[in-house]
Amino acid sequence: SQQGEEDPQALSIQEGENATMNCSYKTSINNLQWYRQNSGRGLVHLILIRSNEREKHSGRLRVTLDTSKKSSSLLITASRAADTASYFCATDDINRDDKIIFGKGTRLHILP
Amino acid sequence: DVKVTQSSRYLVKRTGEKVFLECVQDMDHENMFWYRQDPGLGLRLIYFSYDVKMKEKGDIPEGYSVSREKKERFSLILESASTNQTSMYLCASSFPWDTGANVLTFGAGSRLTVL
Repeated sequence: SQQGEEDPQALSIQEGENATMNCSYKTSINNLQWYRQNSGRGLVHLILIRSNEREKHSGRLRVTLDTSKKSSSLLITASRAADTASYFCATDDINRDDKIIFGKGTRLHILP
Repeated sequence: DVKVTQSSRYLVKRTGEKVFLECVQDMDHENMFWYRQDPGLGLRLIYFSYDVKMKEKGDIPEGYSVSREKKERFSLILESASTNQTSMYLCASSFPWDTGANVLTFGAGSRLTVL
């Protein structure tokens, strides 16, 4: 079963704008992660947020987590052409933290 | 840096063939995973392993089996390939004890076409 669901499925923005992607999940979790995938390649880990954290920053990335709503958002500020990729959220399960489930992803396209 | 290597980048097989997808990681990671990725469906977990000779079913294990005889190697086996197993297969590994979480390192993927 799909744990995370990203929204929107696809997003196109102008270079320099901010991009926001959302993720909803179903069960209680220990951690939520965001990954990036460039076309036809493997995924690369971006950032992890733990269930007791509400916000985390890494460079141009900002992640929020609302465990009461079972949702997370990923904000990429000052987007660049190189940010064009698919972005996935991934969650574990509070009872089974070695099983990592991914959502369907958001395809982000940065327009020049 | 941890490296996860998938033996074949592209494979073409015929229906009914037995297919082996190999994955090797070089950093002594405990956990290893196999996912398949299909358009519109995202990544779906097939099998994972948290130790040598240990395996657990993911969400879509039907038609697949796995082998983990050595810590660094996790093989995905399609006993009798079918056309609906045409997909991108992604292997990943993790070592949760340093971060307290399963941060996955992925291989580049193996694109399998079953004719």
